[in-house]
Amino acid sequence: NAGVTQTPKFQVLKTGQSMTLQCAQDMNHNSMYWYRQDPGMGLRLIYYSASEGTTDKGEVPNGYNVSRLNKREFSLRLESAAPSQTSVYFCAGLGGGLSFTEAFFGQGTRLTVV
Amino acid sequence: AQTVTQSQPEMSVQEAETVTLSCTYDTSENNYYLFWYKQPPSRQMILVIRQEAYKQQNATENRFSVNFQKAAKSFSLKISDSQLGDTAMYFCAFFGGSQGNLIFGKGTKLSVKP
Repeated sequence: NAGVTQTPKFQVLKTGQSMTLQCAQDMNHNSMYWYRQDPGMGLRLIYYSASEGTTDKGEVPNGYNVSRLNKREFSLRLESAAPSQTSVYFCAGLGGGLSFTEAFFGQGTRLTVV
Repeated sequence: AQTVTQSQPEMSVQEAETVTLSCTYDTSENNYYLFWYKQPPSRQMILVIRQEAYKQQNATENRFSVNFQKAAKSFSLKISDSQLGDTAMYFCAFFGGSQGNLIFGKGTKLSVKP
């Protein structure tokens, strides 16, 4: 099993460019999450999806949009990238499948906006 | 809204000694889960231990144990016989509520010294 897969692993964007971070899981998770990790700030929740077809804002949603296309996929879109969005992004899945009470994480995406 | 607070940004311990990492949280929920995750320099998120709120008995996993005080909303992690491989960021996390938030603290950077 691949688990939770994020693409790409690294990305450099120019200010104003757009991009979509992809996340796919094959663990039958009901809930999926997007976080950003900045030094000293821990993991801050951007958006989450408690089930297929639903999405909700987390702590830091501004500048981002998400889409839960189906149960497996949960994408994060930056419409107009800003230097403040330079960060490491993590996707996670939880619930359903093998383990209801453990979140599984992707490997992270290091995004730099110049 | 739930919050998770880790008051120790950095800690260090000598190899083979014991260290305790603190975590407090705030919630109005009665049923929830608490976790400690480890993040080594590889950025991979690794589950260390979890605690179900309805269980009074503290969780234990080999050298890792928790002190769960539900009334005080405290969830500390004790690492016994510290090893060099324990050097990492440690995050406390809360999962619960009707919306299924998975919220993390800001982390504690633990250094194990030889």
